Amino acid sequence: QVQLQESGPGLVKPSQTLSLTCTVSGGSISSGNYYWSWLRQPAGKGLECIGRIYPGGSPKYNPSLGSRVSVSVDTSKNQFSLKLTSVTAADTAVYYCARAGGEWQRLGAFDAWGQGTMVTVSS
Amino acid sequence: DIQMTQSPSSLSVSVGDRVTITCRTSLTISSHLNWYQQKSGKAPQLLIYSASTLQSGVPSRFSGRESGTDFTLTISSMQPEDFATYYCQQSYSIPWTFGLGTRVEIK
Repeated sequence: QVQLQESGPGLVKPSQTLSLTCTVSGGSISSGNYYWSWLRQPAGKGLECIGRIYPGGSPKYNPSLGSRVSVSVDTSKNQFSLKLTSVTAADTAVYYCARAGGEWQRLGAFDAWGQGTMVTVSS
Repeated sequence: DIQMTQSPSSLSVSVGDRVTITCRTSLTISSHLNWYQQKSGKAPQLLIYSASTLQSGVPSRFSGRESGTDFTLTISSMQPEDFATYYCQQSYSIPWTFGLGTRVEIK
C-alpha cells in the first residue's frame, strides 16, 4: 500500500518561495504508470491542481500559476517536490501530494494522497 | 479550462435516503470524470473513476453514471459514515479541474 507524506515549512513570508517535499513509501516512484502531483485547498474552499510530474517526463503545471511553480522528482530518494515562488496570502492553503493514474481508464484519478500540510503565507 | 458545474452545493438528508449529486462539464470529456469523498480535516478519497468504475474497497451503495456532459454520483442508502463533502474532477485536459463540492449533512 503506497503512502505519501508531505514535509516543509508551515509558515512562509510574502514574496518568498514555498518549498514542499513528498516522500513516497510502500512502492517505487519510478515503477508503475503514475503521475505524481501537487494540489492545494484554501480553507473552506475547493481543490486546485498545481502541477504533476511523470518520472522521466516533463512536468505539467496549472497555467493559473504562471511561471511561479515548478515540480521535480528525485527517484533516488523516492521523493518529489514543489516550489512556488513570490507567494502572497492567496497561496495560503492546505497542500496535498497525490498519485494519479497514468493509463487510459484511470487517467488522472487521484488514488493515493498525503495527509496534507497547512502552509500559511504571512509576515 | 474545462468548467465543472456541480449541484447542489449542499443538501440535508437522513440515514437511509437515496442521494444524487450532479456534475456538468463544459465539454465532452470521454468518461474522464472522477468522484471523491472528503471528510473534515482529511484528504479526499477516490470513490469512482472513469465516470462509473468503483474504486477498490468502496461500498457498492456508491455508483456513477454518465450521460453526455452530465455525470451523477448516487448513494443508494445514506449511512452515517457517508456524511461528507463530495467533489467531481475531470481528468480529460490540463489543468485537471474539480467541481466546487457538495456538502451532505444530516437532516
